[in-house]
Amino acid sequence: EVQLVESGGGLVQPGRSLRLSCAASGFTFDDYAMHWVRQAPGKGLEWVSGISWNSGSIGYADSVKGRFTISRDNAKNSLYLQMNSLRAEDTALYYCAKGLMSTIDYWGQGTLVTVSS
Amino acid sequence: NFMLTQPHSVSESPGKTVTISCTRSSGSIASNYVQWYQQRPGSSPTTVIYEDNQRPSGVPDRFSGSIDSSSNSASLTISGLKTEDEADYYCQSYDSSIWVFGGGTKLTVL
Repeated sequence: EVQLVESGGGLVQPGRSLRLSCAASGFTFDDYAMHWVRQAPGKGLEWVSGISWNSGSIGYADSVKGRFTISRDNAKNSLYLQMNSLRAEDTALYYCAKGLMSTIDYWGQGTLVTVSS
Repeated sequence: NFMLTQPHSVSESPGKTVTISCTRSSGSIASNYVQWYQQRPGSSPTTVIYEDNQRPSGVPDRFSGSIDSSSNSASLTISGLKTEDEADYYCQSYDSSIWVFGGGTKLTVL
């Protein structure tokens, strides 16, 4: 059974940093691209970042480029999102998601990030 | 980067057919596959259509997808509507390493 378990969310002040983690199991992690997708309270889905199986291809949404860094450790079956210079508009539920070619076939339950003073 | 525009909401009666559109702002809709996700309140999204018109196993054939190059848009059609289809639906596509979601459409089945 595929499982994606996010952690690292919480309340953080504007301008500070936070690192999200996603522990993956139930599939061969280093065979697949992975993504972070977020959803602000009451709003729609927003793709944040994606990383290929070997970290050779990485993309970011314009809204986070230069502030967020995605990475993965295939030996630990883990995905990460380093978030710096956080803003109020980054407040959202952050989902870890498994890529399958052009789609996402599994989603985690999400970890909530709240940016507020 | 491009944008995907969806209607904010649609509503239809049980047993009827509804179509949700997704219009790409720049670049050809046919150049990259379009996916559709369903999200019920309080739940993570699930895929109902991938690669323009493919259904994952377990998704009923009441769900179908298509693209129209003349309008540069994709469509999700749900026939024989059931109350359980009431949810938010999102289209998604990509260009190189950048993925984009549409703003979402709230489907009400009443």
